[in-house]
Amino acid sequence: AQSVSQHNHHVILSEAASLELGCNYSYGGTVNLFWYVQYPGQHLQLLLKYFSGDPLVKGIKGFEAEFIKSKFSFNLRKPSVQWSDTAEYFCAVILMNRDDKIIFGKGTRLHILP
Amino acid sequence: DGGITQSPKYLFRKEGQNVTLSCEQNLNHDAMYWYRQDPGQGLRLIYYSQIVNDFQKGDIAEGYSVSREKKESFPLTVTSAQKNPTAFYLCASSTDLATQYFGPGTRLTVL
Repeated sequence: AQSVSQHNHHVILSEAASLELGCNYSYGGTVNLFWYVQYPGQHLQLLLKYFSGDPLVKGIKGFEAEFIKSKFSFNLRKPSVQWSDTAEYFCAVILMNRDDKIIFGKGTRLHILP
Repeated sequence: DGGITQSPKYLFRKEGQNVTLSCEQNLNHDAMYWYRQDPGQGLRLIYYSQIVNDFQKGDIAEGYSVSREKKESFPLTVTSAQKNPTAFYLCASSTDLATQYFGPGTRLTVL
């Protein structure tokens, strides 16, 4: 069955540390890829997305993600995190031509120490 | 202001009762979705609708029902057949296969 895996369930970092959150999916066809973020007490919102073109995509607040097709991965990165990045992050994949089904990962809770 | 509204924010229900969660959007989006969010489980798709008067089951549709009589509205009914209904429910909408816009959620507690 198709799935989306986020390897880290809970990550704790100090401010200014670099961040990489892993996301892998299992589907051999075409995909649309997303990272969503849920700040404490706020709605889920889009961080960045990849549909086609340059596999390195940049999102809001200094985040970026790289689509590596051969590794079925879409890892999220930020070179220097801030306390305000404390949130839960979800990777999501739309399986194109498969009822256009969207699958979310289980999320990664990121806690930034001030 | 364009957006998605969900009501109520908190909902309590006795075991054996059906309850309906509201979701309204004024973004003119064709597609709408219902998810259930449980700690450590991420978002799991309950039902989705890509157009008015049509909807499909998601991964965990058992014990739930929906309707899509209007483009703006996609109510979710949690029936007494749902074995573990206590959860946080999120509604979303999108244009075809693009970005999803989420509502603030409804926290349902079964007493």
